[in-house]
This record gives sequence, structure tokens and C-alpha cells, in this order.
Amino acid sequence: GIQVEQSPPDLILQEGANSTLRCNFSDSVNNLQWFHQNPWGQLINLFYIPSGTKQNGRLSATTVATERYSLLYISSSQTTDSGVYFCAVERGTGNQFYFGTGTSLTVIP
Amino acid sequence: NAGVTQTPKFQVLKTGQSMTLQCAQDMNHNSMYWYRQDPGMGLRLIYYSASEGTTDKGEVPNGYNVSRLNKREFSLRLESAAPSQTSVYFCASSGTDKNIQYFGAGTRLSVL
Repeated sequence: GIQVEQSPPDLILQEGANSTLRCNFSDSVNNLQWFHQNPWGQLINLFYIPSGTKQNGRLSATTVATERYSLLYISSSQTTDSGVYFCAVERGTGNQFYFGTGTSLTVIP
Repeated sequence: NAGVTQTPKFQVLKTGQSMTLQCAQDMNHNSMYWYRQDPGMGLRLIYYSASEGTTDKGEVPNGYNVSRLNKREFSLRLESAAPSQTSVYFCASSGTDKNIQYFGAGTRLSVL
């Protein structure tokens, strides 16, 4: 399978601060997605981003496929951003997704 | 529009008991997945179904069976539960558009 490493494992921010989460993967992929798992356990897709840059409000993501990493930027963090952020990758079109171990984010008021 | 629905939400089993986790999606997606989430290990794929009538093993299939009953439903069966199967189980589905995955709310399973 593909190894997916996320850093940092834990992050504590003051409300209003910015942060960058990183996802490294061990092989070429054709699909990369970022997810947010809220404190109640629900997983929500944030971005589909196999390459390039996308923005959605205060969140943006960049994937550099040739260097096998992706970054998730959170600006002006809010307490509702707390939770765990996962990246997941798929190689080929076999529907096998590999998840990283996540970054646990806590935003304090 | 309910999305992906999993039942039950919680379950406690004794070692050796069997049970089936149910999953249904109403988004007309072709692909469905079962994952388990353990502390510190992210999500690991147990089985997936790329289309109605097909199933394939993921990373951690041992001890599980699946059935793609129809396009909407994908069930996961534990024939003889073991304490190592204590976990949170998530079902997901995706369509042909970029394979973006949509998750159910999860089933928290404890095997004593």
C-alpha cells in the first residue's frame, strides 16, 4: 500500500491564528482528499485536490504531486475548526484509499 | 436527503457472537466502502465495492465478510467477534465524479 504521513500530530491554536497541516505520501496518486472529523465523529470532505491549489473560505489546500505532498491551510481559526484533519490518497482507479493518522487540532478561545 | 445511513450506532458484543452492520446510501453512488478507525491509526479500509455485484478486500479484511445487497446497501458481517474488532466502523460511498467520499455517522462497537 501507500504510506501516508501527516504532521504535526497535534496542534493547539488560539482563536484567530493561522496554521498549516502537511500530508506526505510515498507513491504517485491520482486522487487526494482532505477530511475534517468533528468532535462528534462525523467525517466531512473538505477538498478533492490531486494537484494544484483550491480555496474554500478560510481553508485552502495545495498539492504538489511531483513532490508527493499536500498542505492544508487554515486561516483565522475558529473554535468550530477543532477536530481531526485527515488526508486520504488513492493510487490508480482501484477505489483503495489510504488514510493518514491525522492532525488533531484544538482551537481555544 | 439522508446521505449515508449506518445502523446501529452503538453495539456491545461478547466474544464469539456474530452481528451485521448495515449501511445504505441514497445518492445513487456506484462505490461503497467499510472502514475501521482505531485510536492513533486513522481509518483503514476493510472491504469495498466498486459496483453492484462486486466486492474486494482492502487493507484489513480478516475476520469480516461483506455483501453488496443492491446498489444502495452494503453490509459488513462479523461471524465470530473478537476483542481486537473493538473499533469505530464507518461506511462511505462515492460516485463517479472524482470518487469523493461521503461518510456515515459511524458504529461504535465493543467486543468484550
